[in-house]
Amino acid sequence: GENVEQHPSTLSVQEGDSAVIKCTYSDSASNYFPWYKQELGKGPQLIIDIRSNVGEKKDQRIAVTLNKTAKHFSLHITETQPEDSAVYFCAANPMNYGGSQGNLIFGKGTKLSVKP
Amino acid sequence: NAGVTQTPKFQVLKTGQSMTLQCAQDMNHEYMSWYRQDPGMGLRLIHYSVGAGITDQGEVPNGYNVSRSTTEDFPLRLLSAAPSQTSVYFCASSDSERLPQHFGDGTRLSIL
Repeated sequence: GENVEQHPSTLSVQEGDSAVIKCTYSDSASNYFPWYKQELGKGPQLIIDIRSNVGEKKDQRIAVTLNKTAKHFSLHITETQPEDSAVYFCAANPMNYGGSQGNLIFGKGTKLSVKP
Repeated sequence: NAGVTQTPKFQVLKTGQSMTLQCAQDMNHEYMSWYRQDPGMGLRLIHYSVGAGITDQGEVPNGYNVSRSTTEDFPLRLLSAAPSQTSVYFCASSDSERLPQHFGDGTRLSIL
């Protein structure tokens, strides 16, 4: 089945610097790759997603890139701010998981700390 | 617009007890799902539903039951609680995409 690896597990940056989180996946049939931000005591919040027919997508300070050949995708946060501090999860949608669509396999998360 | 509401926020059970975790959404979303989150791990899918009357198993369904009698509600039942079910449980919903878009704030469950 699908396996999603996420690196690094922790990331500390200075305010204003960029942060990059990388994920790899194993199922070449996966076609949807969302990223979630989870603040302490809250549920995950979908912040950006990308589909397999697109190589890059941007939303203000956040961008996601996808390399289908290498089976990896990355989250880029520019001009980081203290409020970006949270745990970030990547995920992939395995098309043939248990014969059902609509499931996501998550990475283990990256704890991002932005120091003022 | 409350989004996805989960109750209770915290619960402590003894081994062997049963309970129901409640999840309600007010966005008229067809797709709803339950995940569990364990320390140092990503979320794992327990059960999901693509509409009222339709449910299916996810990655880790054992020990849990679900039902979907209305579009709004998707309760998760623990039949006989075990310490291995100590976790944070999240409910999610989405509209056209059969993938979680909106999550609740979770139920933190401890089983002694």
